[in-house]
Amino acid sequence: QVQLQESGPGLVKPSQTLSLTCTVSGGSISSGGYYWNWIRQRPGKGLEWIGYIYFTGSTYYNPSLKSRVTISVDRSKNQFSLKLSSVTAADTAVYFCARENYGENLDYWGLGTLVTVSS
Amino acid sequence: SSELTQDPAVSVALGQTVRITCQGDSLRTYYASWYQQKPGQAPILVIYGKNNRPSGIPDRFSGSTSGNTASLTITGAQAEDEADYYCNSRDSSGDHLVFGGGTKLTVL
Repeated sequence: QVQLQESGPGLVKPSQTLSLTCTVSGGSISSGGYYWNWIRQRPGKGLEWIGYIYFTGSTYYNPSLKSRVTISVDRSKNQFSLKLSSVTAADTAVYFCARENYGENLDYWGLGTLVTVSS
Repeated sequence: SSELTQDPAVSVALGQTVRITCQGDSLRTYYASWYQQKPGQAPILVIYGKNNRPSGIPDRFSGSTSGNTASLTITGAQAEDEADYYCNSRDSSGDHLVFGGGTKLTVL
């Protein structure tokens, strides 16, 4: 059974960089055919796709966030990470990591982690 | 287009059938997948592909697509089905993921 778990600071100051890590267990992040995603949900709002990385390191990002987002992978630790720079209060959200079967579904999700941007 | 459109809210009487729809140009190329989310929880996959249910999802959940519209149908809605439902697919380019805005389902 694949499991994903987000980790990182729950509080980030405005203008700083939000950094989160997703640890994958029960499966290898290097398995082909799967895309490793970050998704967020602002309080009371819907799901917003942030971006994904493939095990090769190729990435795609939401155009609305692209200038501030970096997703990277550490295959040796079976982890992938999110960095979101120059954060504001509008980046306060629950951040989820999830695995996608290309074009089919997001079959495994982490529980999510709340990140609050505040001074 | 890279948008998926859902009705914000739908209600259904207990035991009745409800259809939740999702519209978008990308659905002519990619199937939608559907997610149920209850307060304070992560979304869970309920339908994907032409009409596939992951293990553990009741068979009262089904999916279909016609043109640019995907539908999630719950036949015989139960109280525990009250939740937010989101559709998702790749965009028309295939490079990005998109979500619908979500539909809040109330079971009366």
